[in-house]
Amino acid sequence: DGGITQSPKYLFRKEGQNVTLSCEQNLNHDAMYWYRQDPGQGLRLIYYSQIVNDFQKGDIAEGYSVSREKKESFPLTVTSAQKNPTAFYLCASSTTGGVIYGYTFGSGTRLTVV
Amino acid sequence: KNEVEQSPQNLTAQEGEFITINCSYSVGISALHWLQQHPGGGIVSLFMLSSGKKKHGRLIATINIQEKHSSLHITASHPRDSAVYICAVVAQRNTDKLIFGTGTRLQVFP
Repeated sequence: DGGITQSPKYLFRKEGQNVTLSCEQNLNHDAMYWYRQDPGQGLRLIYYSQIVNDFQKGDIAEGYSVSREKKESFPLTVTSAQKNPTAFYLCASSTTGGVIYGYTFGSGTRLTVV
Repeated sequence: KNEVEQSPQNLTAQEGEFITINCSYSVGISALHWLQQHPGGGIVSLFMLSSGKKKHGRLIATINIQEKHSSLHITASHPRDSAVYICAVVAQRNTDKLIFGTGTRLQVFP
């Protein structure tokens, strides 16, 4: 079955360490997204990519980096520059073409920095 | 003020009750999504609307473009419907991404 796989589900890291969250899709979607969710807030866009080897900053890109070397993969690195990295991270993908169709979400990674 | 507002923030119901969750938005949109987030965190897309009404099982979604308002209805609610329901819009000014509401937490008790 097609879908998005995020791993790991739970991640613990020490303060000051970089950490990379994995996101893989087999839906043949062109666009992929990373969102952050904090309690009581809506999902906020970190980065998105509409095509391989290209990506754009979202609303809260500071302290994060991404790459899009393959259509299927869009890993997110949370760097030590991110001031408050503990959060729930969701990856998503969609078809493109003006209006977003077939928006699919992963099951998320809960990152805790201690 | 958020561009997408949902009400209520929290909702408690008895099994079998009819549920309505509201979403208002302040931007011109190309489409509106209703999403369901389970306690484990995963999100499922329920509906995408650009006009009118859609129905899937016990779920009904409506949208009024002129009033910039959408509703999600659940008929004959069940404890398994307990989840956070999120409204998200594709703004006409930037169709690359979704703008999310903060969600409505629904608990249905037996």
